[in-house]
Amino acid sequence: GAVVSQHPSWVICKSGTSVKIECRSLDFQATTMFWYRQFPKQSLMLMATSNEGSKATYEQGVEKDKFLINHASLTLSTLTVTSAHPEDSSFYICSASRTSGRLNNEQFFGPGTRLTVL
Amino acid sequence: QKEVEQNSGPLSVPEGAIASLNCTYSDRGSQSFFWYRQYSGKSPELIMFIYSNGDKEDGRFTAQLNKASQYVSLLIRDSQPSDSATYLCAVDAGAQKLVFGQGTRLTINP
Repeated sequence: GAVVSQHPSWVICKSGTSVKIECRSLDFQATTMFWYRQFPKQSLMLMATSNEGSKATYEQGVEKDKFLINHASLTLSTLTVTSAHPEDSSFYICSASRTSGRLNNEQFFGPGTRLTVL
Repeated sequence: QKEVEQNSGPLSVPEGAIASLNCTYSDRGSQSFFWYRQYSGKSPELIMFIYSNGDKEDGRFTAQLNKASQYVSLLIRDSQPSDSATYLCAVDAGAQKLVFGQGTRLTINP
């Protein structure tokens, strides 16, 4: 159990376009979903925390108007990178926390989405 | 600013030996500690979690926590080439958030 999927797994787009990434918890309800970004040979950097039905909480330095997060249900969160530029090229990973379980802050990670902006 | 520090490595260990990975954290109030393994190009997968001081064993893996010294470590016994990966230490930061260290790149040499 506790499977998280992401779609697409990779995307290449032109500079100036917008890209939407979906994150789904497949077999559990996720109270909270997290969006991370990871540059090569670096650790995961939390971008934002997303709770179902409420506005996302963005980490310092992350532009909320550029990285739009929607958490429409307990199993789906989306990240839209608006007007993407080459510096936005990165590995984007989502994770989800369950509403119940033995660990109330264990995060289950999706497989990641590799974004390349030309 | 809550911080988690790891030696970035690379750490090279011969096959069959014990690999020792260390992590220190700044927030004395942290309660939960996690070790994730990340293969190149993949997302992290949970290896171990620990809450209480002392050792916790799971197969070839042992997590050690010392809250007084604010460090947590991961030991991998009988290291295998398939253990070669980057190991990320994560510490709870409240509000269900985790703070990750920069990761230690481990290479097991056959």
